[in-house]
Amino acid sequence: EAGVAQSPRYKIIEKRQSVAFWCNPISGHATLYWYQQILGQGPKLLIQFQNNGVVDDSQLPKDRFSAERLKGVDSTLKIQPAKLEDSAVYLCASSLESGTVGSYEQYFGPGTRLTVT
Amino acid sequence: GNSVTQMEGPVTLSEEAFLTINCTYTATGYPSLFWYVQYPGEGLQLLLKATKADDKGSNKGFEATYRKETTSFHLEKGSVQVSDSAVYFCALSDTGSGNTGKLIFGQGTTLQVKP
Repeated sequence: EAGVAQSPRYKIIEKRQSVAFWCNPISGHATLYWYQQILGQGPKLLIQFQNNGVVDDSQLPKDRFSAERLKGVDSTLKIQPAKLEDSAVYLCASSLESGTVGSYEQYFGPGTRLTVT
Repeated sequence: GNSVTQMEGPVTLSEEAFLTINCTYTATGYPSLFWYVQYPGEGLQLLLKATKADDKGSNKGFEATYRKETTSFHLEKGSVQVSDSAVYFCALSDTGSGNTGKLIFGQGTTLQVKP
């Protein structure tokens, strides 16, 4: 079974530029998560989708970050304009269902390492 | 709000030594608890989990017991190997009606095992 795919693996941009990350979850997984992992810290949830609807985006900086999950499969996370403090690894994860109905394992992709200069 | 606190690293051990990585949590309700591992150059992988009080999760020689009375989920292994060198994350998830199941992570503990 294929795992969670993410691209690109690495990205270097200048501040004020825009960037987009792509995620393809495990086939059949209804729930998709985007986490931000700053160096030396644990991952922090940015946004959670159930199919193509948003479940939780309370920690997404909506003035510069946006995300979509068209057709309930692939997802794109965008940053525009980027700031120096956005330098981090962006992790995508998926699970069969959300935690409202029980405990479902989240499977993580390899992440995209973003450096903003 | 919910939170997870792990012991600071890095932890450096010799091969075959005993490992303990402490993890305590603060949460409302009855969270599920997890340990994730991140090997160099790889993504996060679930190591073990426990979904209710007194449950013991185990995998690859690692164990952790869900202690509600001390709000802890310490990770242990009796004899570490060089291949266990990685970053270990403790996490909790609020499950059930009204919750989303998102993971809240500790800051991670780096383990280095020397031959």
